[in-house]
Amino acid sequence: DTAVSQTPKYLVTQMGNDKSIKCEQNLGHDTMYWYKQDSKKFLKIMFSYNNKELIINETVPNRFSPKSPDKAHLNLHINSLELGDSAVYFCASSQGRDRGTYEQYFGPGTRLTVT
Amino acid sequence: AQTVTQSQPEMSVQEAETVTLSCTYDTSESNYYLFWYKQPPSRQMILVIRQEAYKQQNATENRFSVNFQKAAKSFSLKISDSQLGDTAMYFCAFGAPVKGGSEKLVFGKGTKLTVNP
Repeated sequence: DTAVSQTPKYLVTQMGNDKSIKCEQNLGHDTMYWYKQDSKKFLKIMFSYNNKELIINETVPNRFSPKSPDKAHLNLHINSLELGDSAVYFCASSQGRDRGTYEQYFGPGTRLTVT
Repeated sequence: AQTVTQSQPEMSVQEAETVTLSCTYDTSESNYYLFWYKQPPSRQMILVIRQEAYKQQNATENRFSVNFQKAAKSFSLKISDSQLGDTAMYFCAFGAPVKGGSEKLVFGKGTKLTVNP
């Protein structure tokens, strides 16, 4: 019954590979997000989707591409992985501005390690 | 652009005592929310407390309360009767609307709180 789930929780891969992280929410929320938490624990938004439409794209390299097949899912695909991509990636969801309070519910995070 | 500053990278407190974590923010928005999130070693992000900017009354949730000073753009978190399970990173976050019906959380760099037995 997890509200926001992510798979996988851990991902170890080599430089140059392409990988995807999946996210699903069962809260009926309209908006979903990807955040990156670096090695110093700093959290920064990467993308936001509202009803499958890209809303926020924060100066993220083109190698990162979010995809939202429906409003309950937001996946993150990363091409040509680099060492600097190593981080914890969090998916989150919220009701959306018109209905919500900006309260965002986070998934458990995916620790990506690039070797 | 909004910024959130947490000036205390680390703090410690004895079990059962009270501790206050500081947070200041900068914004030109008038309609916004403020949050404190907790991240224990499990790395799960857990919402601790929320404050609407238009409300003057400070939010409280059991042992957690805030001191919201809108004019000073200050939003501190007080934890009373600290428990060992409160040991975690605490993040202050500012939530403001962006175009397209979305909103954006801007986080501070966090305060690592250790509760000692």
